[in-house]
Amino acid sequence: EAGVTQSPTHLIKTRGQQATLRCSPISGHTSVYWYQQALGLGLQFLLWYDEGEERNRGNFPPRFSGRQFPNYSSELNVNALELEDSALYLCASSFSYGYTFGSGTRLTVV
Amino acid sequence: TQLLEQSPQFLSIQEGENLTVYCNSSSVFSSLQWYRQEPGEGPVLLVTVVTGGEVKKLKRLTFQFGDARKDSSLHITAAQPGDTGLYLCAGVLSGYALNFGKGTSLLVTP
Repeated sequence: EAGVTQSPTHLIKTRGQQATLRCSPISGHTSVYWYQQALGLGLQFLLWYDEGEERNRGNFPPRFSGRQFPNYSSELNVNALELEDSALYLCASSFSYGYTFGSGTRLTVV
Repeated sequence: TQLLEQSPQFLSIQEGENLTVYCNSSSVFSSLQWYRQEPGEGPVLLVTVVTGGEVKKLKRLTFQFGDARKDSSLHITAAQPGDTGLYLCAGVLSGYALNFGKGTSLLVTP
């Protein structure tokens, strides 16, 4: 069974640009979660999608947005990038208890 | 505000030693999970505890959920270098995504 896949693995962007991160959940999982893991801050919840709908979002500004497609894959968009957006962005999917995480996208804003 | 507080933040021990990591909160969780994360990878689920007072064992790892479902501990017996990593506890509040602690970074040296 394929795990959660994220692309790209690494992304380097300039301040002010937009970044698009992608996630494919495990087959059969309808919920997708996005987390930001910045140095020293732990995993911070960004967004939760289920059945194509946004179910909840964390305490992040509106320039962090996303969507979930009919095949349950998901996209995270970060507009007007700031230096402090540099972090590991993790996507997870779940069926019941427990999340399965992808390996993440390392976003560096310069 | 961090819902889940983990202690200690860092732990460096020698192979063969025992250790305990704590996860505390003032909130009651319907379930609590422990993950281990290695550099460059996403967290991997180790265990889920659901019932207050529950104890689960995974080889040399023992997990306990507090009676009031507000805290948990992870005990490792005879630590090995392969146990090195970031240990994260995470809890679910009703209707929300997983909340993570900042983690305990464990280093086990031969």
